[in-house]
Amino acid sequence: GAGVSQTPSNKVTEKGKYVELRCDPISGHTALYWYRQSLGQGPEFLIYFQGTGAADDSGLPNDRFFAVRPEGSVSTLKIQRTERGDSAVYLCASSRTRGNEQFFGPGTRLTVL
Amino acid sequence: AQSVTQLGSHVSVSEGALVLLRCNYSSSVPPYLFWYVQYPNQGLQLLLKYTSAATLVKGINGFEAEFKKSETSFHLTKPSAHMSDAAEYFCAVSARGGGSNYKLTFGKGTLLTVNP
Repeated sequence: GAGVSQTPSNKVTEKGKYVELRCDPISGHTALYWYRQSLGQGPEFLIYFQGTGAADDSGLPNDRFFAVRPEGSVSTLKIQRTERGDSAVYLCASSRTRGNEQFFGPGTRLTVL
Repeated sequence: AQSVTQLGSHVSVSEGALVLLRCNYSSSVPPYLFWYVQYPNQGLQLLLKYTSAATLVKGINGFEAEFKKSETSFHLTKPSAHMSDAAEYFCAVSARGGGSNYKLTFGKGTLLTVNP
């Protein structure tokens, strides 16, 4: 079956611009996680959704970052006023419910010039 | 709070040799422990996980790991390396229990190179 998909695969933007990154989880998975992987580092947790609600957003670095999951399926990570330090690979993962195996998408590579 | 330390950012072995990738964890609550593999330009793939059953966990592609509570370790091993094992490996920890959201805390990763 289809895995987790993320679009776009690559995004290049200029400092100060707004970007949206999309995640399509595996159908029926209620738990969805966003992680950020900077160069040479392991992924770092950003936010966790159970259904439509953000149950834990403690990993978001500041208020320029926001994520939604309005219908409990697709999620969008939104970054305002991008900075060069936001350059990273943004990973999405879904699981059937919390506590089950997380399946990762291929990531979106964001480059802020 | 949880953290993971992977000793050795780069490990190089010969084809057919033993693979040993080290992982130590810190957790204030009983942990779940994971090893993930990441091939170039691909997503993370779960190799194996420890969830409080057997302490010796067998995973895919001939890998296994042993949970040692006294040493707070979860090292990954494979008896004989293949060229196809060349990739980056991440150890991760999450809290378990009713209040956990099971978010993963990852180590910095170990790049495994396999030489012919």
